Amino acid sequence: GAVVSQHPSWVICKSGTSVKIECRSLDFQATTMFWYRQFPKQSLMLMATSNEGSKATYEQGVEKDKFLINHASLTLSTLTVTSAHPEDSSFYICSALLRGRYNEQFFGPGTRLTVL
Amino acid sequence: GQNIDQPTEMTATEGAIVQINCTYQTSGFNGLFWYQQHAGEAPTFLSYNVLDGLEEKGRFSSFLSRSKGYSYLLLKELQMKDSASYLCAVINSNYQLIWGAGTKLIIKP
Repeated sequence: GAVVSQHPSWVICKSGTSVKIECRSLDFQATTMFWYRQFPKQSLMLMATSNEGSKATYEQGVEKDKFLINHASLTLSTLTVTSAHPEDSSFYICSALLRGRYNEQFFGPGTRLTVL
Repeated sequence: GQNIDQPTEMTATEGAIVQINCTYQTSGFNGLFWYQQHAGEAPTFLSYNVLDGLEEKGRFSSFLSRSKGYSYLLLKELQMKDSASYLCAVINSNYQLIWGAGTKLIIKP
């Protein structure tokens, strides 16, 4: 099946620094990737839809200047959390859309971000 | 608005059968997914329904009624490892997945 990788799997950073998370589709091309965050015991929350070669579409309430998304190729999307604060600590998950009969999203393993 | 409703938590006994319901209201419909998620891990795909009816896959089955905006996930012969959250999600006309809050399933011996 299709595989999506995410790097890093976990990161600890100081408040005020920026963190970049990479999402790669390893064996298929994905024109569309999604970024989610998930707080403990809560459902996935869609942050933005990342389309290759164009600007990301952010969900209401998500600051696009704080969460920078770049989908520069058909296999790579990056999420940069700028000037991170402790409240940004969360589980960030990306997924890549494989268009076809199932229009299935394949998920990366997630990145645990802890901001001190 | 768009929303998906599913029970917050359910409890069942090992070896039994459990049905997790999901109702949805979305802008367009291109299919409904069920995912399983263990704590601290990313979701894993269980099933996909786009036409009305029942899809069976081993111990898991998923049912869809588009006219009622309703689906259920049926788990048979429950095992302890089935303790997890089960997420219902609908893909809308913009190819975005709209997520339910998830149902935490607790399996007791």
